[in-house]
Parts: sequence; C-alpha cells; structure tokens
Amino acid sequence: ETGVTQSPTHLIKTRGQQVTLRCSSQSGHNTVSWYQQALGQGPQFIFQYYREEENGRGNFPPRFSGLQFPNYSSELNVNALELDDSALYLCASSLNTGTQYFGPGTRLLVL
Amino acid sequence: DQQVKQNSPSLSVQEGRISILNCDYTNSMFDYFLWYKKYPAEGPTFLISISSIKDKNEDGRFTVFLNKSAKHLSLHIVPSQPGDSAVYFCAASESGSGGSNYKLTFGKGTLLTVNP
Repeated sequence: ETGVTQSPTHLIKTRGQQVTLRCSSQSGHNTVSWYQQALGQGPQFIFQYYREEENGRGNFPPRFSGLQFPNYSSELNVNALELDDSALYLCASSLNTGTQYFGPGTRLLVL
Repeated sequence: DQQVKQNSPSLSVQEGRISILNCDYTNSMFDYFLWYKKYPAEGPTFLISISSIKDKNEDGRFTVFLNKSAKHLSLHIVPSQPGDSAVYFCAASESGSGGSNYKLTFGKGTLLTVNP
C-alpha cells in the first residue's frame, strides 16, 4: 500500500510568482484535503476535493485554487505569491470522510 | 480566534512515566476529535480519535479522554518511550458539515520530549 506522496519537497519562489504543488493520494482513497502550516502554528484547512469536485473551503483567498484528477491525485495552485504564503503545505487523503492520512508536505519559501 | 487550543507548548517526561497532553476547544459544534503526532520533516501521523458520544477511547498505550461539559480533551501515553518524542496536535471537526473527518481544525501543538 503506497502512502500519500507530495512533490516537490522544497520550493523557493519570489513574490508575485505562481506555484503548483502536487499530491498523490493513498491507494483506495478518493478524497484529498490541503492544509497550510505556518511556522509555530497548527495546520489550517485550505480546501477539500471529493471525486474531482471542491467539497468545502477554509478562509483562504481565491488565488488559492485546486484540482483533483480522475486518479484522485490533486494539485494546489497559488497565484500572486505573497511573503506570508511561506509555509509547509500538507496534503491529506482519505476514503470519503474517513481518517485523513497526511503526506510529508512541501515547504514553500517566498522571497 | 483559536477554536482549538493547546496551552502547553512543550512537555518533558521521564521514560516509563505517564505523558498527559491537554487540549481545549471553544466551538460547541465540534463532535469529533483526533490526535496526530508529527516528527520533523514528516507529515502528521494519525494516533487516535474519539466521537462526542464517548468519553474515553483506548488504543494500546494511548488513551483519549473527552469532557464535553468542560470542552476539554486529553491524551494519555503510558508508559512513555523516547520514540514518542514529537509534536502532538489536537484536531476537531463538525461531523454534520460533511463527515467526521471534514475540515479539521488544529491546535498549535505540544512538543513532547521523553527523556531516557
């Protein structure tokens, strides 16, 4: 059984650029959730995708967008990057509304 | 406005003793609670969960207690082992919003250090 994987592991961007982060869900899972973890904070819910549709969103602006593909992998896109977007981005997969299993995260630094 | 609070940033215990990690919440709509453990450079790992219809759930060395009237939960680890040293996150969700594991709200975490 393959766990949740994320790519890249680290990324450096400059303010105003756009970034795409990728997540492969655990085998058998059909739901992907994205979280942002700033330094010294707990993870904050960005949005969730269920069967390729957005299934809820946290308090993040529209420049945070996502996709889920037929194989249930997912992308998180962030446009017009700001310095405060520097964080660890975590992807979690689950079967429907079951337990969420997290990937190792992508650490994004915006300069 | 933090809806899930872990007021102890860190906790240090001796190997073999009990570790007690605490968590408070303010949103009365939360009815499902989870604990995750996180090592550096890894994602959070699910430990144990509890539904609001229960007040205790056990899994091996880990026990979670829920006090709904006080809006408080705690994680007990007995006996503590050096490999338990990690950051522990408390998380909560409203099952009515789409399921028991929809939109988890996390605390800031407690760093547990178990000394040999």
